[in-house]
Amino acid sequence: QVQLQESGPGLVKPSETLSLTCTVSGGSISSYYWSWIRQPAGKGLEWIGRIYTSGSTNYNPSLKSRVTMSVDTSKNQFSLKLSSVTAADTAVYYCARDRTIFGNYGMDVWGQGTTVTVSS
Amino acid sequence: SYELTQPPSVSVSPGQTARITCSGDALPKKYAYWYQQKSGQAPVLVIYEDSKRPSGIPERFSGSSSGTMATLTISGAQVEDEADYYCYSTDSSGNHRGVFGGGTKLTVL
Repeated sequence: QVQLQESGPGLVKPSETLSLTCTVSGGSISSYYWSWIRQPAGKGLEWIGRIYTSGSTNYNPSLKSRVTMSVDTSKNQFSLKLSSVTAADTAVYYCARDRTIFGNYGMDVWGQGTTVTVSS
Repeated sequence: SYELTQPPSVSVSPGQTARITCSGDALPKKYAYWYQQKSGQAPVLVIYEDSKRPSGIPERFSGSSSGTMATLTISGAQVEDEADYYCYSTDSSGNHRGVFGGGTKLTVL
C-alpha cells in the first residue's frame, strides 16, 4: 500500500525558508494530486496547497505569496518551500495523497507528520 | 476567505449517537469530507463525498449533507471514537482551494 514520509530540517531560523520533502513509496506518484497540511501545536488543521504530477498547483490564498511546491517524478517525491518564516509557521507538517479533485475520494493517505520549529 | 464552521466540542456517553455538524456556504455545491485525528496521530479519512465510508471504517460512522450543512454521525459511539474530527471541503472559486473546519473534540464518557 502507498506510504508517505515527510523529511526535512526540524529547526528553521526566522526569515529563512522552510523546505520539506515527501517521499511516496509502495506506488507511483504519477496521476495524482498531492497536498501539504500543517497543524500548530494544540490547534486545527490548515491546508497549505496541492500539486499535480504535471506541476500544476493550487495554494491557500493566505500563504500563496510564500509557498512554492514542486514534484520530482523520477524520485517519487514532492516538496514544499515556505519562505520568510516566522514563529507562526511552527507546526507539524503533513503530506497527503489528495484525491479530492479527481474522483472525490478525499485525502486518503497521510504521512506521519514532521515537526518544524521556527526559532533563532 | 471561505470558512467551514464546526462546534468546538461534543460529548456523549458510550452507546449514544454523536452528531458533529459543519456549515459552509459552498456545501450545497461541494462535497464534504471528514477526518478523525486521535492524539498524537495523523488524521484518518472516515467519510468522503458527503456520505461514503472508506474501506476499514466501521459502519457506525456515517455522513450526510443538506443545504449548507454537513453532518458526521457516529451511531453507538465507543470510547475509542474519542478524537478530534475535522470537516474539509473546497471553495467555489474554481481553483478547488481546500479548507478545514476548526475541528470538534468528541468526548465519549
